[in-house]
Amino acid sequence: EAQVTQNPRYLITVTGKKLTVTCSQNMNHEYMSWYRQDPGLGLRQIYYSMNVEVTDKGDVPEGYKVSRKEKRNFPLILESPSPNQTSLYFCASSLWGLGANEQFFGPGTRLTVL
Amino acid sequence: AQSVAQPEDQVNVAEGNPLTVKCTYSVSGNPYLFWYVQYPNRGLQFLLKYITGDNLVKGSYGFEAEFNKSQTSFHLKKPSALVSDSALYFCAVRGYPNFGNEKLTFGTGTRLTIIP
Repeated sequence: EAQVTQNPRYLITVTGKKLTVTCSQNMNHEYMSWYRQDPGLGLRQIYYSMNVEVTDKGDVPEGYKVSRKEKRNFPLILESPSPNQTSLYFCASSLWGLGANEQFFGPGTRLTVL
Repeated sequence: AQSVAQPEDQVNVAEGNPLTVKCTYSVSGNPYLFWYVQYPNRGLQFLLKYITGDNLVKGSYGFEAEFNKSQTSFHLKKPSALVSDSALYFCAVRGYPNFGNEKLTFGTGTRLTIIP
């Protein structure tokens, strides 16, 4: 089944404790992206990647890191999480570039930082 | 810069009635426009998109959207609402040509509730 998977689905952590949220897609998509969803703000793009070893900042990159060492994986790293990073996070992928291609979204990761 | 406005946080419609979820946008150049739907505890799912051509585009689950360039709008519509259409709907846009800007901008979402 074609899908985008994220792990973990739920995470509660404390301020300053490094964490990684994994994202993997099995559709051979070149473009991958991370978003955060907050009430009243919709989805905001954190980082995106056009292909392996090519990443770029979205609209809200502060406090996050990403890497794209393999085509299928695009982990999101929070080196020192803070409470304002409590949010619902989505990974997405699309065929190539963003262009006119629709994105496929993962199920989401709900992160709480205490 | 590109932006999307969804002026209604909440839309309530009686089952069987037509529904409209509004979206207006701002981009440099021409727009690629998308609608996505989010059901509870799920990720977003693609509904439909406008790239070029016919201003009326049809998508999944009987939804359609009308592109209006002069009003910079892309409203989502359905002739007869179902209770199962109740969900959170997002409009998204990106402009082209964009010369390396691979960002997609989403609106804040509209919660659609269909009343039995």
